[in-house]
Amino acid sequence: GNSVTQMEGPVTLSEEAFLTINCTYTATGYPSLFWYVQYPGEGLQLLLKATKADDKGSNKGFEATYRKETTSFHLEKGSVQVSDSAVYFCALSPPLAAGNKLTFGGGTRVLVKP
Amino acid sequence: DVKVTQSSRYLVKRTGEKVFLECVQDMDHENMFWYRQDPGLGLRLIYFSYDVKMKEKGDIPEGYSVSREKKERFSLILESASTNQTSMYLCASSYRDGGPADTQYFGPGTRLTVL
Repeated sequence: GNSVTQMEGPVTLSEEAFLTINCTYTATGYPSLFWYVQYPGEGLQLLLKATKADDKGSNKGFEATYRKETTSFHLEKGSVQVSDSAVYFCALSPPLAAGNKLTFGGGTRVLVKP
Repeated sequence: DVKVTQSSRYLVKRTGEKVFLECVQDMDHENMFWYRQDPGLGLRLIYFSYDVKMKEKGDIPEGYSVSREKKERFSLILESASTNQTSMYLCASSYRDGGPADTQYFGPGTRLTVL
């Protein structure tokens, strides 16, 4: 079956530090890959996505590249801010999935300190 | 903006009670989803619906049922609540024709505690 594995948190950083959250997946074919973010007290919202190999998704200074050869979709940001403190979820949607059902990783909590 | 609302942010129920969690979306989305979120486990799909009166089981449907009588409303029902159903419940919606890469829009969640 499909699965997503991401690094466990919490990840604690200082402001302006570099952030990487690792995500690897298992799926048949070419799934679509996503990063969702959950800010404190809120639901999830889409951060970025990629739909085919070597695609790069980007948003709000975050980037992730779809690597088919390593089945990975690592999230990076060059200089984090306190406002980036949140829980980050990596997810996949199989090709031709009815209703674009998502499989999520366990989530990584990030805490950015001033 | 897409808005997905859930009837309660916090709910406390007793073991054996019947519990209804309501979700409403205002963007005319065909797909609607119910997930539960537990620490370290991420989100797990309970049920989803791709049209009125249509439903499919997700990964963990045991102990739950759903109802979709109107396009904008999707209800999750715990027939007889148990303590292992204490969790955060998240509702989401999306367009049916958007394909596998379409964005899901989430509500703020309901934190359910079963005593």
